[in-house]
Amino acid sequence: QKEVEQDPGPLSVPEGAIVSLNCTYSNSAFQYFMWYRQYSRKGPELLMYTYSSGNKEDGRFTAQVDKSSKYISLFIRDSQPSDSATYLCAIESTGRRALTFGSGTRLQVQP
Amino acid sequence: DTGVSQNPRHKITKRGQNVTFRCDPISEHNRLYWYRQTLGQGPEFLTYFQNEAQLEKSRLLSDRFSAERPKGSFSTLEIQRTEQGDSAMYLCATTTGSTDTQYFGPGTRLTVL
Repeated sequence: QKEVEQDPGPLSVPEGAIVSLNCTYSNSAFQYFMWYRQYSRKGPELLMYTYSSGNKEDGRFTAQVDKSSKYISLFIRDSQPSDSATYLCAIESTGRRALTFGSGTRLQVQP
Repeated sequence: DTGVSQNPRHKITKRGQNVTFRCDPISEHNRLYWYRQTLGQGPEFLTYFQNEAQLEKSRLLSDRFSAERPKGSFSTLEIQRTEQGDSAMYLCATTTGSTDTQYFGPGTRLTVL
């Protein structure tokens, strides 16, 4: 079993829809949670970073962490065709610098 | 553009050849990471430097792989005797000592024929 599980999709939604992307993890030592966006043939780009349970909002993006359930989510409001990309959750454990990534969810927003 | 650059962007080689990739970090970033990403998967950690010291290596980093970061600036990743299974995107990420946020370069896509 992978340490971080992510639904690979693909996920196709109409423009303006609310998108929910999710990851589950198994290691209780994971303490820092990130969401990256990756366009085709590009490097990952950091979207959100949080280390506590609860919600963090940045524009149309909201990251949610539930440490008790080992579950993290990214919500995208008013989705745009430019949001079409692969979304990767990434988690870092206390004391270890390397990130553990989910396999990524491919999102397609239809105009 | 995060400010992390990688060269070359694409490399096609024949099985058994050696290849070397370069990563130039953001100037004040003292931590540098190498990851490998295969199609349909998330990046997997390979190795990590703090300044010039290589502090951690993944089990994925076989004896054919070697990474260096002379003088704590740019880093190189060399793969000797390439195999078809080495075909992947090789990503470099850097960060400062005061934050855990890793900024990724555009990657080097390796194809081994």
